[in-house]
Amino acid sequence: GQNIDQPTEMTATEGAIVQINCTYQTSGFNGLFWYQQHAGEAPTFLSYNVLDGLEEKGRFSSFLSRSKGYSYLLLKELQMKDSASYLCAGYYGGATNKLIFGTGTLLAVQP
Amino acid sequence: DAGVIQSPRHEVTEMGQEVTLRCKPISGHDYLFWYRQTMMRGLELLIYFNNNVPIDDSGMPEDRFSAKMPNASFSTLKIQPSEPRDSAVYFCASSFVREGEAFFGQGTRLTVV
Repeated sequence: GQNIDQPTEMTATEGAIVQINCTYQTSGFNGLFWYQQHAGEAPTFLSYNVLDGLEEKGRFSSFLSRSKGYSYLLLKELQMKDSASYLCAGYYGGATNKLIFGTGTLLAVQP
Repeated sequence: DAGVIQSPRHEVTEMGQEVTLRCKPISGHDYLFWYRQTMMRGLELLIYFNNNVPIDDSGMPEDRFSAKMPNASFSTLKIQPSEPRDSAVYFCASSFVREGEAFFGQGTRLTVV
């Protein structure tokens, strides 16, 4: 399969920086998505990485290392509203041809 | 566009009953996906359509589940008969291209008692 692994829960302080890691199986891998999901709401798109390296988008950045099967989402200047679940998802082509989601990392931002 | 629209938002039904979930994708999106989300298993892809044609239904748990897309603006996911283990949040999503940003509806929270 295409196991997508990420920590279940994380806690961080308002104003701080937090890094949420994600590992995935590299066979058949095309690219990696990050989605944000607030409790009781739909997932919303944050980023999509295909190439190695860091992509920055405001307070959020996403990193990908294809050779290592590793990605992270970096959140800076944390705000209370960033408390949510962050879903890592790998897109696999070929015979799989689908997006595989991890179970999500529940981030709690504390004052 | 109002985004992906799902109905109902909440459904409570008795075991053995038929349940039909509905989805209206974003206009112009060629791909439609049905996902199921539970605490234990996270988001699982059940089935997806391209241009109204089912492409991959390998995620459909069993024959009790069926999905249709009669036209570009409407899809249904049906469970018959429903069982308590089907309780979950069911999301519909659509995208312009296969490997593109998926826009999710607000989901249907299904409880089977």
